[in-house]
Amino acid sequence: DGGITQSPKYLFRKEGQNVTLSCEQNLNHDAMYWYRQDPGQGLRLIYYSQIVNDFQKGDIAEGYSVSREKKESFPLTVTSAQKNPTAFYLCASSIDLAGKTYEQYFGPGTRLTVT
Amino acid sequence: GQSLEQPSEVTAVEGAIVQINCTYQTSGFYGLSWYQQHDGGAPTFLSYNALDGLEETGRFSSFLSRSDSYGYLLLQELQMKDSASYFCAVTDSWGKLQFGAGTQVVVTP
Repeated sequence: DGGITQSPKYLFRKEGQNVTLSCEQNLNHDAMYWYRQDPGQGLRLIYYSQIVNDFQKGDIAEGYSVSREKKESFPLTVTSAQKNPTAFYLCASSIDLAGKTYEQYFGPGTRLTVT
Repeated sequence: GQSLEQPSEVTAVEGAIVQINCTYQTSGFYGLSWYQQHDGGAPTFLSYNALDGLEETGRFSSFLSRSDSYGYLLLQELQMKDSASYFCAVTDSWGKLQFGAGTQVVVTP
């Protein structure tokens, strides 16, 4: 079955620690995205990547970093510089970005709690 | 910049029809999408409009008026399982999605 996996589903960290959220897709999609969702709010774009070894900042990139070493994988690191890291993090992919493909496929999300 | 506005909550009974409006301001526009998200779950794609008019997919329909920067999602024959949040999203000039804050639809028996 094709899809996007994110792990873990729930993650707890102490303040000051970096944490990496994984995202893997086997849909052969070129474009991948990371979003943050806070309670009662929409999705805000953190980073996105059109091809391997290339990624761009989204609207709220400060305190986050990403890598795209493989087409299938787009891990997100939440650094200690992120002031309010507790949130629901969603990874998504689409066939490509340049073709203006509109449909994004989302993973199940990781709920990060930092205390 | 871009902004999207949609109502925060709509309540309706089973079998009713609900219309969720979305107005947008954007510097680049390719189309308007709608996504459904159940509590704690992942958003799932419902529909996409690039041209003016109505797109129908089963019980759900979506409408776009580019000249009015306005669209809506119509949910017909509401079922309990339709209780969820619905997000409109604009595809901008770079192919990225900008999401609205979401409308929570509450379906009552």
